[in-house]
Amino acid sequence: EAQVTQNPRYLITVTGKKLTVTCSQNMNHEYMSWYRQDPGLGLRQIYYSMNVEVTDKGDVPEGYKVSRKEKRNFPLILESPSPNQTSLYFCASRAGLSETDEQYFGPGTRLTVT
Amino acid sequence: GDSVTQMEGPVTLSEEAFLTINCTYTATGYPSLFWYVQYPGEGLQLLLKATKADDKGSNKGFEATYRKETTSFHLEKGSVQVSDSAVYFCATKTSYDKVIFGPGTSLSVIP
Repeated sequence: EAQVTQNPRYLITVTGKKLTVTCSQNMNHEYMSWYRQDPGLGLRQIYYSMNVEVTDKGDVPEGYKVSRKEKRNFPLILESPSPNQTSLYFCASRAGLSETDEQYFGPGTRLTVT
Repeated sequence: GDSVTQMEGPVTLSEEAFLTINCTYTATGYPSLFWYVQYPGEGLQLLLKATKADDKGSNKGFEATYRKETTSFHLEKGSVQVSDSAVYFCATKTSYDKVIFGPGTSLSVIP
């Protein structure tokens, strides 16, 4: 089954404690993204990657890092989480960048930083 | 810059009622337009899309028509069901790698 998986699904942590949210897709997609979803703001793109070892900033990259060492994985790293990073996070992947390439989303990771 | 505006709701309807969720966009050129649906506890799924003016996207009884003259892409369904309860996001893709989402509209359908 084609899917995007994220772990963990729920995470409560404290300010400053480094954490990683993993994302993996089994569709051999080149393009992957991370979004955060906040009430009234919709989804905002944090980082994206067009292929292995190619990453770039989205609209709200501050406080986040990513890496793309393998095509299937795209972890999101919070080196020093702060309460304003409390949010619902989604990983997404897409085969390419054409108009017909549908974006597939993971189930989400709800992060709370106290 | 590019943006998407949609009614935020929440919207509450009785089963079999008619649904309209308004969406308007601001973008240069000829963007593609999308509706995504997010069921409780799940990620977003593509519901329908349209890639050029006057195109009508449709899926699962939902429809939306790309209206360039009014820069709109309103979502409609003639008869909603309880299973349609979800959050609906309008989105536009302008440049080759950027998708902009609206704030989402929460829909609750009651029996």
